[in-house]
Amino acid sequence: QQPVQSPQAVILREGEDAVINCSSSKALYSVHWYRQKHGEAPVFLMILLKGGEQKGHDKISASFNEKKQQSSLYLTASQLSYSGTYFCGTDAYGQNFVFGPGTRLSVLP
Amino acid sequence: EADIYQTPRYLVIGTGKKITLECSQTMGHDKMYWYQQDPGMELHLIHYSYGVNSTEKGDLSSESTVSRIRTEHFPLTLESARPSHTSQYLCASSGVSSYNSPLHFGNGTRLTVT
Repeated sequence: QQPVQSPQAVILREGEDAVINCSSSKALYSVHWYRQKHGEAPVFLMILLKGGEQKGHDKISASFNEKKQQSSLYLTASQLSYSGTYFCGTDAYGQNFVFGPGTRLSVLP
Repeated sequence: EADIYQTPRYLVIGTGKKITLECSQTMGHDKMYWYQQDPGMELHLIHYSYGVNSTEKGDLSSESTVSRIRTEHFPLTLESARPSHTSQYLCASSGVSSYNSPLHFGNGTRLTVT
């Protein structure tokens, strides 16, 4: 079952913050986050494992709430290079790894 | 750095032709995947493999077939191309468990069937 992502799309100005959410009705082993720029392949950002944790590099971080089966991706002080479509992917008990529908992020100067 | 290669990068072909999209990886990954993606849209899993001689159909019904005779090679074949097959096809690989192993994607093949 595909995870749900929200919002579907977001427009920011440079320097603003954004949060992208990913939730599942299934009990999750892990959550992946990827970014895909226009005309390119998706690129891995980070994996969060069951047990609830938070990860981050540079100004992009994420959390995984095991009780809610929800992960959030935090983009701080956004840059033009952050524009793209963000996909979460979930690994759940009894099902294959599956991507969410994506969130389109546009950062304007 | 991920090493997964897809050829051709672009392909324009007529209806009814047989085509094979190539995908190779040099990371020794057991698991490989084929996704279909229209521009700006969702990633749809069409085939995957756990290793040599293992192939499974994904969530999206597809008229394509795959084979996995060698660990590094996972080609996708369309026996008779149709305009509805026009899309981008992305190959990916990961360690044996996607639980803690990220997917590495190739650059994709953009297929146009006329």
